[in-house]
Amino acid sequence: EADIYQTPRYLVIGTGKKITLECSQTMGHDKMYWYQQDPGMELHLIHYSYGVNSTEKGDLSSESTVSRIRTEHFPLTLESARPSHTSQYLCASSEGRLALDEQFFGPGTRLTVL
Amino acid sequence: AQSVTQLGSHVSVSEGALVLLRCNYSSSVPPYLFWYVQYPNQGLQLLLKYTSAATLVKGINGFEAEFKKSETSFHLTKPSAHMSDAAEYFCAVSDSGTSGSARQLTFGSGTQLTVLP
Repeated sequence: EADIYQTPRYLVIGTGKKITLECSQTMGHDKMYWYQQDPGMELHLIHYSYGVNSTEKGDLSSESTVSRIRTEHFPLTLESARPSHTSQYLCASSEGRLALDEQFFGPGTRLTVL
Repeated sequence: AQSVTQLGSHVSVSEGALVLLRCNYSSSVPPYLFWYVQYPNQGLQLLLKYTSAATLVKGINGFEAEFKKSETSFHLTKPSAHMSDAAEYFCAVSDSGTSGSARQLTFGSGTQLTVLP
């Protein structure tokens, strides 16, 4: 069973608020990812990390930022939330850098910005 | 560049019937292919993956998929559907030819499977 956690699971906030979505994994994985998922759509990679102090932007442009100060922790921050940020955010991790490595997913955070 | 197309955003089958979820991919190099399942209010869970060994891949919960290079397909099947199979299924491709940097998964748009009693 994968041990990757996301908090909060659901968040409803007003426009302009700063928010941080938390993601932690206890598997010691070097690689971590953030995906954005809208209903009926594919997952889009917005950020990823090779390891501590390494972060990269994904295929989908996002106004969010991430940090990787500890191996197990990969938080995502929105400085000023807008209704267009309403979506589900999924965090994932994988053990290695190989293309065939399985990604383990957290349960997701469903964000609604009013 | 790589891409995935899942034909049919919604599929309904009767309990006990064959499940067939279609996935076609595009990749300029030999791909690695994955099927993930997402149950309501949960993250994605790996069902199976193709990594260029056997073309017929068996996964969890009785699912299997066959890699057909000539058809660029990786369709997911299960002989007999259970009510518990109702979920969303995602096909994904990873580029085996990229070296050095992080490998990315490209996902299809998903297929919602409904199992009717």
